Amino acid sequence: QVQLVQSGAEVKKPGASVKISCKASGYTFSRYYMHWVRQAPGQGLEWMGIINANGGSTKYAQKFQDRVIMTRDTSTSTVYLELNSLRSEDTAVYYCARDKVPDYWGQGTLVTVSS
Amino acid sequence: SYELTQPPSVSVSPGQTARITCSGDALPKTYAYWYQQKSGQVPVLVIYEDTKRPSGIPERFSGASSGTVATLSISGAQVEDEADFYCFSTDSSGTPYVFGTGTKLTVL
Repeated sequence: QVQLVQSGAEVKKPGASVKISCKASGYTFSRYYMHWVRQAPGQGLEWMGIINANGGSTKYAQKFQDRVIMTRDTSTSTVYLELNSLRSEDTAVYYCARDKVPDYWGQGTLVTVSS
Repeated sequence: SYELTQPPSVSVSPGQTARITCSGDALPKTYAYWYQQKSGQVPVLVIYEDTKRPSGIPERFSGASSGTVATLSISGAQVEDEADFYCFSTDSSGTPYVFGTGTKLTVL
């Protein structure tokens, strides 16, 4: 069965960087895109970007263009989200979600940015 | 940047029909998708390509789209349908993707 397992919660200080992983299993990794979506406490879903697991091309939301890097490792079927220059407003649960129309979602990774 | 606008909240009594709208300028050219997110859970796709229902989704969930407005309807809403609902689509160029502002559905 398809599973997306994300790395654990992170606590970071303002200005730092965070790198979250999402390990996929149960399907052919390179055949699908992967989104990253975040949700601040009590807020809605926010699309951050998408990576093509076959080739690694990316598209980012304009809001994150300068601070985000999405990568993938086909040898481990893992995608990564790196977010730089963290600020308190980046405190959120970050989700990976498979396919152009997300069908399977990771369990979420809570990132807390606090001094 | 492209935006999809939803009403913040919709409230119905059990058994009534709930309708949630999603407005976006590109919707005449692009599909709308709908996600249900119950408290503390990940989103679940309930409607894709404007009107289609994934397997396992109850028949009371339906979708429609006309012009710049897509609509999710839940006929005979049940208490268990209470959740936040988000539409999802792209602008006319195919990216970026965007989620709607979200609607909290209350059934009581």
